[in-house]
Amino acid sequence: KAGVTQTPRYLIKTRGQQVTLSCSPISGHRSVSWYQQTPGQGLQFLFEYFSETQRNKGNFPGRFSGRQFSNSRSEMNVSTLELGDSALYLCASSFYELAGELFFGEGSRLTVL
Amino acid sequence: EDKVVQSPLSLVVHEGDTVTLNCSYEVTNFRSLLWYKQEKKAPTFLFMLTSSGIEKKSGRLSSILDKKELSSILNITATQTGDSAIYLCALLDQTGANNLFFGTGTRLTVIP
Repeated sequence: KAGVTQTPRYLIKTRGQQVTLSCSPISGHRSVSWYQQTPGQGLQFLFEYFSETQRNKGNFPGRFSGRQFSNSRSEMNVSTLELGDSALYLCASSFYELAGELFFGEGSRLTVL
Repeated sequence: EDKVVQSPLSLVVHEGDTVTLNCSYEVTNFRSLLWYKQEKKAPTFLFMLTSSGIEKKSGRLSSILDKKELSSILNITATQTGDSAIYLCALLDQTGANNLFFGTGTRLTVIP
């Protein structure tokens, strides 16, 4: 059974640009959640999508958005990038809505210059 | 403010030692408390605890919730070098938007 796949694995952007990250969940999983991990703040919850609807949301500005497609694949978009957006972005999938065992991908490492 | 606080921040032990990692939280009304192990990038699930207070065990690892002390502990007995990782505690809040709060983690290093 294939795990959670995130692309791209690494990317470099400049301030003001936007970026789109992709996450393919484990087959059959309908929930995809996104997290930002930085050395200073640790792992922070961004949002969760379940059956194409955003069901839960963390405390991030509106520059961070996402969507989920009918095949459960999800994308996360960050607009008007800031230096502080440099982080490891992790996504996780689960069968049920955010509650228990989450299966994480390897992450997308974003560097903003 | 930090809703989930883990201690210690880091810990170095020798193989065979027993370690206890602590997770304290402020939220009293929550759905579940989760423990994860992060070795490189992708955290892997260890335990889910609910307010029922039942201890969870898996091999050398065990965890329990102390509702009175608003904390949870993760015990690892007979540590091995493969236990070296960051251990993350997360709380699923059920107020507001069902937010998931992670602690900053405890970095465990097991030396031979």
